[in-house]
Amino acid sequence: EVQLVESGGNLVQPGGSLRLSCAASGFSFSTYDIDWIRQAPGKGPEWVSTISGRGTYTFYADSVKGRFTISRDSSKSTLYLQMNSLRAEDTAIYYCATHRPGNDWFDPWGQGTLVTVSS
Amino acid sequence: EIVMTQSPATLSVSPGERATLSCRASQSVSSNLAWYQHKPGQAPRLLIYGASTRATDIPARFSGSGSGTEFALTISSLQSEDFALYYCQQYNEWPQITFGGGTKVEIK
Repeated sequence: EVQLVESGGNLVQPGGSLRLSCAASGFSFSTYDIDWIRQAPGKGPEWVSTISGRGTYTFYADSVKGRFTISRDSSKSTLYLQMNSLRAEDTAIYYCATHRPGNDWFDPWGQGTLVTVSS
Repeated sequence: EIVMTQSPATLSVSPGERATLSCRASQSVSSNLAWYQHKPGQAPRLLIYGASTRATDIPARFSGSGSGTEFALTISSLQSEDFALYYCQQYNEWPQITFGGGTKVEIK
């Protein structure tokens, strides 16, 4: 069974940093692109970032470009999201999800980790 | 950016009834559209991709239709476990992926 488990969410002050992790199991880690998607309270999901199966390519939403960095450690089957210069509008539940290149829908997703940016 | 608009925001339906959810794209996305079900505290679940193809293990009561800018998700006979939030997502221009704001299906 494919499983994705996020961790690392917390309360952080504006301007602060946080690193999220997503532990993957049940599938060949390098076969899939892996994504971060977030959902702010009362809003629809927002795609944040994607890293290709072997880590060759990364993509970012304009809203996080230059502040967030996605990476993966294949030896640990773990995805990371380093978030710097956090803003109040980054407050959201952050989900990791997978997709096959060319099949750009997300399946499955993890249960998410909550990031709150507030003073 | 392609804007996805879902309607209605809330749909009140009795168990056993039919529910139809709408999703409109601000420009054509061909058939590059997915639907998800989301219950609070759980992982979102893929229901439909390619506008009308059911994902693995999704019951036949869920069906998707449409192409271009107008799409629909129909639940033919609502079961208690179907009361949830539903989101559409377009993937026509990777990585410019966008989601709709969601429709909440609640018990009438």
